Amino acid sequence: AQKVTQAQTEISVVEKEDVTLDCVYETRDTTYYLFWYKQPPSGELVFLIRRNSFDEQNEISGRYSWNFQKSTSSFNFTITASQVVDSAVYFCALTGGSNDYKLSFGAGTTVTVRA
Amino acid sequence: DTAVSQTPKYLVTQMGNDKSIKCEQNLGHDTMYWYKQDSKKFLKIMFSYNNKELIINETVPNRFSPKSPDKAHLNLHINSLELGDSAVYFCASSHLTTGGSGDTQYFGPGTRLTVL
Repeated sequence: AQKVTQAQTEISVVEKEDVTLDCVYETRDTTYYLFWYKQPPSGELVFLIRRNSFDEQNEISGRYSWNFQKSTSSFNFTITASQVVDSAVYFCALTGGSNDYKLSFGAGTTVTVRA
Repeated sequence: DTAVSQTPKYLVTQMGNDKSIKCEQNLGHDTMYWYKQDSKKFLKIMFSYNNKELIINETVPNRFSPKSPDKAHLNLHINSLELGDSAVYFCASSHLTTGGSGDTQYFGPGTRLTVL
């Protein structure tokens, strides 16, 4: 069974601070896919990134970066120079490699960026 | 322009009523999903259809019945609504890749159901 753990329930930072969200996963599959989604206060779920288990390269997109480490089963997400608009709930999720169509979500981390 | 749409956005109803939520996607995907988000924000899969065929049916009360008239639509009908059904229901869609998983799921805006 797939499991995703986001140990941080809430994080509060002041604007321009960096914030790192932890995600630890469990799976028996050798092929799997990891995702991050953002849920702003307006409620929609916004896709941020997808990474497959064979690609351990870190990724940067603007102020967002992701660190994937298979050795520690972690897929952490960093927001650099946070802004108020980054305030949201962030979810890490996982699907397995074969006939596992569903996303297994972590409990989410609420990020509050104060001006 | 909207990729995955749901109607209604808000649904307030009395216990015991029957209600439906509709979902449509214009992304050309062949697989659609229903997820439930509870009051603690936890997201859990309920159902999934691929090309109108049910492929995921999690442990959900029989009062919930999905229906997919075609690849672009997936509706959720709920009978005899209970207080515990109050939640946000999200529709999502994706391609079903070779091997059956891994493609990105795109979500609708959600339907907030409140049962009084």
